Amino acid sequence: KAGVTQTPRYLIKTRGQQVTLSCSPISGHRSVSWYQQTPGQGLQFLFEYFSETQRNKGNFPGRFSGRQFSNSRSEMNVSTLELGDSALYLCASSLTGINTEAFFGQGTRLTVV
Amino acid sequence: GENVEQHPSTLSVQEGDSAVIKCTYSDSASNYFPWYKQELGKGPQLIIDIRSNVGEKKDQRIAVTLNKTAKHFSLHITETQPEDSAVYFCAATSPRTDKLIFGTGTRLQVFP
Repeated sequence: KAGVTQTPRYLIKTRGQQVTLSCSPISGHRSVSWYQQTPGQGLQFLFEYFSETQRNKGNFPGRFSGRQFSNSRSEMNVSTLELGDSALYLCASSLTGINTEAFFGQGTRLTVV
Repeated sequence: GENVEQHPSTLSVQEGDSAVIKCTYSDSASNYFPWYKQELGKGPQLIIDIRSNVGEKKDQRIAVTLNKTAKHFSLHITETQPEDSAVYFCAATSPRTDKLIFGTGTRLQVFP
C-alpha cells in the first residue's frame, strides 16, 4: 500500500512569490491535513480537508490556502511569500478525520530567500 | 486553546535502558493521543496511539499510559536500541477542536 506522497521535496522561492505544494493521500483516505513544522514553533496545524471541503482551519493568515480534489489529492498554496514561511510543510492523510490514525508524508522543505 | 506540554526536550540513554517521555494536555475533552517518531529528513511516523477509554496499550517494546484524571500520558520504550534515536512527538485531539495538537518534541539519543 503506497504511503502519503508529497511533491516537490524541496523548493526555493523568493520573497513575494507564491508556491503550490501537492499531497497525494493513502488510497481510500478522504481526510488530508496540512502542518507547518519549524524549529521555533514546532508542528502547527494549518487546515484539514475532507471530501473536497475545508473542515477545519488553524491560526494562519489568509495567504495560506488549500483545496482538495475529488480523488482526495490536496494542494496548499502560499501567496506573497515571506522569509518566515520557510519551513517543512507536512501533510497527513487519514480515513475520516483527525480523530483517526493519521499518516504523514515526508514533507516539502520550503526555503524563502 | 488546547495545549500539550512535553518533557524532557532531550533524553540520552544507554542501549538496553528504558526511556520515558511525558506529556500533559489541557483540554479535558481530549480523547485521542497518538505518538510519532520523526527521523532526520523524514515525516513523523505513527508508532502507537491510545484512546481515552483505555489506560494502557503495549506494542512490543513500546507502551503508552494514560491518566485522564491528571491529564497525563507517557511513552515508555524498553530495551532501547540505537535505531530508536529520533525526535518523538506526543499529540492530543479533542472533539471540541478537532485538531491534532502536538507537543514540542523530545530528542532521544541511544548510545551503544
